[in-house]
Amino acid sequence: GAGVSQSPRYKVAKRGQDVALRCDPISGHVSLFWYQQALGQGPEFLTYFQNEAQLDKSGLPSDRFFAERPEGSVSTLKIQRTQQEDSAVYLCASSTGTGWGLNTDTQYFGPGTRLTVL
Amino acid sequence: DQQVKQNSPSLSVQEGRISILNCDYTNSMFDYFLWYKKYPAEGPTFLISISSIKDKNEDGRFTVFLNKSAKHLSLHIVPSQPGDSAVYFCAAPKEYGNKLVFGAGTILRVKS
Repeated sequence: GAGVSQSPRYKVAKRGQDVALRCDPISGHVSLFWYQQALGQGPEFLTYFQNEAQLDKSGLPSDRFFAERPEGSVSTLKIQRTQQEDSAVYLCASSTGTGWGLNTDTQYFGPGTRLTVL
Repeated sequence: DQQVKQNSPSLSVQEGRISILNCDYTNSMFDYFLWYKKYPAEGPTFLISISSIKDKNEDGRFTVFLNKSAKHLSLHIVPSQPGDSAVYFCAAPKEYGNKLVFGAGTILRVKS
């Protein structure tokens, strides 16, 4: 399909394990965002890439969270030494926008990865 | 600091009637707003948007109203259909990169 895809869809980790979540954005989309959605809440911004450059990581909750997009397409969100509070749905979104100024380009979301930390 | 607020966690409406979902914001720098719709186990899907230079934007059964002085917007769905049952999020892009700030969402149930 032509949409944003994410894998795995579900991930169960034991506390202390490292996890890696993958996002395949829409082909050609410059901007890529990661959001975290806790149960009963709206998505919250984690980090933003413009091509391969990570331009904003102000939402990453701790240094255990790391994201990369080395070739400007696929992105990986890695969480080291997972904790129970990391349990959430992790959403990836992409858009055509460059991010300069107010950009009204629509962000298209993937289905998310539901992470459960036991 | 919740800059976008949706104070109604849920709303139940009869099929064919109007659904009104509300959203308030506190950041006066916001000048573009979006509504997203989310079904279970799917990502949010863009529904409709409005720029602050307008007070109304309509797309088929969906209309968004913006009251800048009150820092309030609302989404009207008429007539409501059972397939509209979903979680609706209000959002606004913020700062460089246009990361979205979301409300907590409102669960809409349309009863047939």
